[in-house]
Amino acid sequence: RKEVEQDPGPFNVPEGATVAFNCTYSNSASQSFFWYRQDCRKEPKLLMSVYSSGNEDGRFTAQLNRASQYISLLIRDSKLSDSATYLCVVISANDYKLSFGAGTTVTVRA
Amino acid sequence: GAVVSQHPSRVICKSGTSVKIECRSLDFQATTMFWYRQFPKQSLMLMATSNEGSKATYEQGVEKDKFLINHASLTLSTLTVTSAHPEDSSFYICSARQTATNEKLFFGSGTQLSVL
Repeated sequence: RKEVEQDPGPFNVPEGATVAFNCTYSNSASQSFFWYRQDCRKEPKLLMSVYSSGNEDGRFTAQLNRASQYISLLIRDSKLSDSATYLCVVISANDYKLSFGAGTTVTVRA
Repeated sequence: GAVVSQHPSRVICKSGTSVKIECRSLDFQATTMFWYRQFPKQSLMLMATSNEGSKATYEQGVEKDKFLINHASLTLSTLTVTSAHPEDSSFYICSARQTATNEKLFFGSGTQLSVL
């Protein structure tokens, strides 16, 4: 089983819609969680960290569910510029090793 | 913010040649650097972790004699793809951490390698 798994999508949504997707992780010792955004053939850029209590950054909301071992990302009022691949990243508490999910592709259409 | 410079951004080479990719941290000292490979429509796959002054740690399935990593200084790590073959064609990205336990990653802009 992969350490980090994501629904690859693609999620095709109209502008203004809400889209949400999850990322599951297998290592219960995982301690830190992040969402990165990657545009085609570019380097990933940090979108937001995921805190235990959940957190918001503008139109983006991240949640962590430790019991079920998943994190989620919700995008409200989608913009065309939100079209990208969203990678979840999990860091292990044991060795600080980073594990990347395969990415969820979101396409926002006009 | 911290910047990691990676070059070249694109390289096309003949089969059998070696290609060197550089990754530099411009305004911080990176004790740990990571090298990833990404095939089309796939995720980043960690190839190796390099710590300054010591040998790189390679992930399972990555040939250390083929992908030579040198992290000779706190601001520079290089990846050399030796005797490149068409199947080595991929997008290679480096990232750097200030310390081994620092969670913040800074990415290079990637190198698209095409082996003919």
